[in-house]
Amino acid sequence: AQSVTQLGSHVSVSEGALVLLRCNYSSSVPPYLFWYVQYPNQGLQLLLKYTTGATLVKGINGFEAEFKKSETSFHLTKPSAHMSDAAEYFCAVSLVVYDMRFGAGTRLTVKP
Amino acid sequence: SQTIHQWPATLVQPVGSPLSLECTVEGTSNPNLYWYRQAAGRGLQLLFYSVGIGQISSEVPQNLSASRPQDRQFILSSKKLLLSDSGFYLCAWSVDSNYNSPLHFGNGTRLTVT
Repeated sequence: AQSVTQLGSHVSVSEGALVLLRCNYSSSVPPYLFWYVQYPNQGLQLLLKYTTGATLVKGINGFEAEFKKSETSFHLTKPSAHMSDAAEYFCAVSLVVYDMRFGAGTRLTVKP
Repeated sequence: SQTIHQWPATLVQPVGSPLSLECTVEGTSNPNLYWYRQAAGRGLQLLFYSVGIGQISSEVPQNLSASRPQDRQFILSSKKLLLSDSGFYLCAWSVDSNYNSPLHFGNGTRLTVT
């Protein structure tokens, strides 16, 4: 069955530091992968998605993610963290119509 | 542009009481509609999805039901709430039936059953 695993339920970085949020997927065929961000008491907002083609995907707010089939990974990065990046981030995989599966989430804290 | 509205934002209900959460989408026709429940540290759990009026698919046996009386309206209901029904409920829509279509979420309803 398809699933995603997010490594680290909490990540803390200093403002200006690199952000790296890890996501690994399990699937027998190349999946469609997504990253979402959730601010407190709000719904999820799409950051970026990988479907086919270029393996480095650029999203909103300066985030990007690289699809690595050999590592079954889709890690999210941002070169320089801002205070406004503090939120919860979810990796998701879609292999079957109407069935997007989400990871447990990673809460990002940005220290001044 | 498309928008999604969910209400109420917060709700406190006693055990055994009924529930009705409503979600509407504007700016698109025949969307796919979804109800998810979010529990702390457990990600999102798909509860129901609908591909058209009156068409509901249940993913998890629940004390909950869903209905789609109109094209852009999706309702989550319960006849008798349980303590375990507490959580953050999210409505979402997608534009077509391709599984590479992202979901667009409402702002959620935080339900506390006491």
